Amino acid sequence: DVKVTQSSRYLVKRTGEKVFLECVQDMDHENMFWYRQDPGLGLRLIYFSYDVKMKEKGDIPEGYSVSREKKERFSLILESASTNQTSMYLCASSFPRQGTAGTPQETQYFGPGTRLLVL
Amino acid sequence: QKEVEQNSGPLSVPEGAIASLNCTYSDRGSQSFFWYRQYSGKSPELIMFIYSNGDKEDGRFTAQLNKASQYVSLLIRDSQPSDSATYLCAVSGAGKSTFGDGTTLTVKP
Repeated sequence: DVKVTQSSRYLVKRTGEKVFLECVQDMDHENMFWYRQDPGLGLRLIYFSYDVKMKEKGDIPEGYSVSREKKERFSLILESASTNQTSMYLCASSFPRQGTAGTPQETQYFGPGTRLLVL
Repeated sequence: QKEVEQNSGPLSVPEGAIASLNCTYSDRGSQSFFWYRQYSGKSPELIMFIYSNGDKEDGRFTAQLNKASQYVSLLIRDSQPSDSATYLCAVSGAGKSTFGDGTTLTVKP
């Protein structure tokens, strides 16, 4: 089974702090993604990565950066946390080719999420 | 216009009924279509995927795709209270997925 883990389930930070959210997957997936999920706004893509040291902006990259130094690890960084970054953050990974057990490529496997509160 | 739109909810059906969830997408180049289920407080999990026009059945779930109309749907037969969740439609192409806002389904006993 694919396992995607995130470093924290709940996090409380102060405005202006630098925040690191870590995501690790154990299935050698090339693609990794960071989303935020807010009521009424759905899942919005922040950044994604197709390979080590590669990153692409998603739909809402402002105020965020990412790092992918190793294939299994994808970090989301809030350079200076603000209250409007209070949200649920979900990491996902996918395999760009035909997956195992008949699952299609681009199936996304999600981590448990980190609920971040910025005060 | 959003790239992926789902029918507005919430949707409530009695136990045993058919629940119908709909999704339209704007990118004609989309290749893969997914339905994820998300229970409250949990992360999304894949329940169905479909590539080709027509119907695809898996147990009580049927996914339908009409590329000409840019329309995807999910039917849940014999709905159970355990099906109560938010259902996310996702459309993929070029390595990434675009998600709809989700439709929240409640199945009442």
